[in-house]
Amino acid sequence: GENVGLHLPTLSVQEGDNSIINCAYSNSASDYFIWYKQESGKGPQFIIDIRSNMDKRQGQRVTVLLNKTVKHLSLQIAATQPGDSAVYFCAENTGGFKTIFGAGTRLFVKA
Amino acid sequence: GAVVSQHPSWVICKSGTSVKIECRSLDFQATTMFWYRQFPKQSLMLMATSNEGSKATYEQGVEKDKFLINHASLTLSTLTVTSAHPEDSSFYICSARDWGGGPRTDTQYFGPGTRLTVL
Repeated sequence: GENVGLHLPTLSVQEGDNSIINCAYSNSASDYFIWYKQESGKGPQFIIDIRSNMDKRQGQRVTVLLNKTVKHLSLQIAATQPGDSAVYFCAENTGGFKTIFGAGTRLFVKA
Repeated sequence: GAVVSQHPSWVICKSGTSVKIECRSLDFQATTMFWYRQFPKQSLMLMATSNEGSKATYEQGVEKDKFLINHASLTLSTLTVTSAHPEDSSFYICSARDWGGGPRTDTQYFGPGTRLTVL
């Protein structure tokens, strides 16, 4: 199946530092991208989204960058806090209903 | 914000039995809901798209006779795992799309998930 991996890559950052989580998406026809945060034993939580006609979008402490040329998406978290520790997934939507998730990255924030 | 609930939050059953999981959109109507499965330390894998009043659309490799989906109303979709086996043990998550016409009408809202353990 899609996006199946044996383990999740991990990013470890110091509290207060900025975090950058990267994602490569697969479908050049995808026109809507979303970042989700998932804490252990819970469902994904919406963080921020971006449409393909944009290359950057900012939220509260988070910024999403989209590079359609290389099919790359990144999530930047400013002043990372212990509560940001979770697994982060990028997801892509191809103009229809289905949303396909990427492999995910585990963010670990050191106090 | 939009809330999606799932029931039960966890269930343990014996091999060969069937288990029903409910997904409800609490404060909005959802003509389309989605069912995902997530194994430990892996990503969410889309199983099927549930359409209100019509048959579900299953992803390649997902057995429709094993994972029965019913979307009887605009706020409720159910997933029944029939003749469950230990390999069906997983975290099942539903989501619903809010077609309310607001600024985030493409956003999917996810339920809290249901942990299924088949003995």
